[in-house]
Amino acid sequence: ETGVTQTPRHLVMGMTNKKSLKCEQHLGHNAMYWYKQSAKKPLELMFVYNFKEQTENNSVPSRFSPECPNSSHLFLHLHTLQPEDSALYLCASGDSSGNTIYFGEGSWLTVV
Amino acid sequence: AQRVTQPEKLLSVFKGAPVELKCNYSYSGSPELFWYVQYSRQRLQLLLRHISRESIKGFTADLNKGETSFHLKKPFAQEEDSAMYYCALSGYSGGYQKVTFGTGTKLQVIP
Repeated sequence: ETGVTQTPRHLVMGMTNKKSLKCEQHLGHNAMYWYKQSAKKPLELMFVYNFKEQTENNSVPSRFSPECPNSSHLFLHLHTLQPEDSALYLCASGDSSGNTIYFGEGSWLTVV
Repeated sequence: AQRVTQPEKLLSVFKGAPVELKCNYSYSGSPELFWYVQYSRQRLQLLLRHISRESIKGFTADLNKGETSFHLKKPFAQEEDSAMYYCALSGYSGGYQKVTFGTGTKLQVIP
């Protein structure tokens, strides 16, 4: 157990639905990340939060909306997604020195 | 800006053959380099880091600042080494530590 937990593990949603992915870490880290993993782009950084502040948005479409209420929790709110958004969404956390980061198991998202 | 390049998308080797997964980086400061591995249906996990100078599962990686490389090597590949391997660099950007990953190399060990 690496201490980074993602829910749900699998999600199927329609293009008009609104859903959220949740990530929780119990490692005392101050940085949290969302990555997208797909066949086209094996590992694509989406957002970075440091001390609850968003420090990086990698030109992600607004239909993905992150939220970091505290250093232990990170959400990814999903709205009006497209089928090409189907992918594995990975959450990760790291300490303030940013060295090693720890990944969750990911949430498999299918948009129909 | 920091960048990590893994030139090979796929590397196929026979069992028992040597393996070298290439990684080159671009960073103006003193970088910290890592290799992460993702086995089938498992989460991404740290394999090794350059500051530890360790050998994990027979893999080693040496940081070559002159060539800005951090290639991952193993003298004799095993079937269980088949996985996706990512090189990563940790450096400062905008006042925060930032981790940048390469695009990954899929290692396929042929029995």
